[in-house]
Amino acid sequence: DTGVSQDPRHKITKRGQNVTFRCDPISEHNRLYWYRQTLGQGPEFLTYFQNEAQLEKSRLLSDRFSAERPKGSFSTLEIQRTEQGDSAMYLCASSFGTGNLGEKLFFGSGTQLSVL
Amino acid sequence: GDSVTQMEGPVTLSEEAFLTINCTYTATGYPSLFWYVQYPGEGLQLLLKATKADDKGSNKGFEATYRKETTSFHLEKGSVQVSDSAVYFCALYSGAGSYQLTFGKGTKLSVIP
Repeated sequence: DTGVSQDPRHKITKRGQNVTFRCDPISEHNRLYWYRQTLGQGPEFLTYFQNEAQLEKSRLLSDRFSAERPKGSFSTLEIQRTEQGDSAMYLCASSFGTGNLGEKLFFGSGTQLSVL
Repeated sequence: GDSVTQMEGPVTLSEEAFLTINCTYTATGYPSLFWYVQYPGEGLQLLLKATKADDKGSNKGFEATYRKETTSFHLEKGSVQVSDSAVYFCALYSGAGSYQLTFGKGTKLSVIP
């Protein structure tokens, strides 16, 4: 069990640029989640994948954000035309489960995005 | 909508002191409740959980009891250690076809020798 890996750990970009983050979940996990965390706040849900299917998106997720999980393995989160308000820690989590969410989520250490 | 309210931090305690971190929630139905902990430089980890009223979750000396009548899930530990210094997040899952956890803002705990 190597844990959930996220890359890069830090990203600095200029306003208007596109950025892409990668998440490698624990290999046998069928569920993958993206959360966003700003300073002094708890994580906020962005989106959920079950295998390769994106089954839930938060209303917070503007159309500048897109996420994929091809083949149900790693996932990418892309932000187009970044804004300063996008500056945050982006967290990925994975789990193995069926039915309702009752199992333990395993979180990565996150990607810290700074938009200048 | 769902929400979680935690006591404001930071909290600073001496080693071996008693810890309480308050957590109250608003949710539809009968949510599952969780405490996650984030140690410096690490990802969030599940500390304990409770899935129905009056359940007590426990782990590593920490405990929390699901109180439906007061909509609370307060975290307690009888004797904290320096290694317990971390940020603690209360969270809930209310189901209803969603897969999201709703987190509180977190409470930073510092334990001094």
